[in-house]
Amino acid sequence: DAKTTQPPSMDCAEGRAANLPCNHSTISGNEYVYWYRQIHSQGPQYIIHGLKNNETNEMASLIITEDRKSSTLILPHATLRDTAVYYCIVRVGGSARQLTFGSGTQLTVLP
Amino acid sequence: AAGVIQSPRHLIKEKRETATLKCYPIPRHDTVYWYQQGPGQDPQFLISFYEKMQSDKGSIPDRFSAQQFSDYHSELNMSSLELGDSALYFCASSSQGGVETQYFGPGTRLLVL
Repeated sequence: DAKTTQPPSMDCAEGRAANLPCNHSTISGNEYVYWYRQIHSQGPQYIIHGLKNNETNEMASLIITEDRKSSTLILPHATLRDTAVYYCIVRVGGSARQLTFGSGTQLTVLP
Repeated sequence: AAGVIQSPRHLIKEKRETATLKCYPIPRHDTVYWYQQGPGQDPQFLISFYEKMQSDKGSIPDRFSAQQFSDYHSELNMSSLELGDSALYFCASSSQGGVETQYFGPGTRLLVL
């Protein structure tokens, strides 16, 4: 699975959009981009995934560049409860393969 | 919606003892994964099972074993416990076919004294 690079930490004001970047320059054509988050010591929570098109669900939006070498997770209106470590993971879909967690981005939402 | 269930949620053991962690996947999920997260570390993959067969293996110590049963629940057996085994243990489940998104349980916190 391709390696990802994320900034170690980011701050965001409550109510503003949080934009979390991820670089995955070695991504292969059959690899998906997944985003998970982990609120302190809780189980990682699935947020969203995409292959090449932009995706949106009730939690977030995922913007993938046309060359697929980077992506951005957008939380449109961050709240204090969105403070967590956010992991960008690149992985081939299917076949019961593991998720490889990198160091992620610690997002702190400030009041 | 039903989620992954893990038991026990907390466990305290002495060195050299054994421990068994249980995981009940989301209904109709056929694949189970185990991850270990040490203090201040990121989750690390241990092992996974699909249809009761081991499908992928990570950095699982030889002292650990796991299996998946006919009802798809899984158990992680840990023997000769060491202080370094103190960690959060997460189970995740997924359904094969398609993108196969993994959903995580709340974890079992194991403390070895």
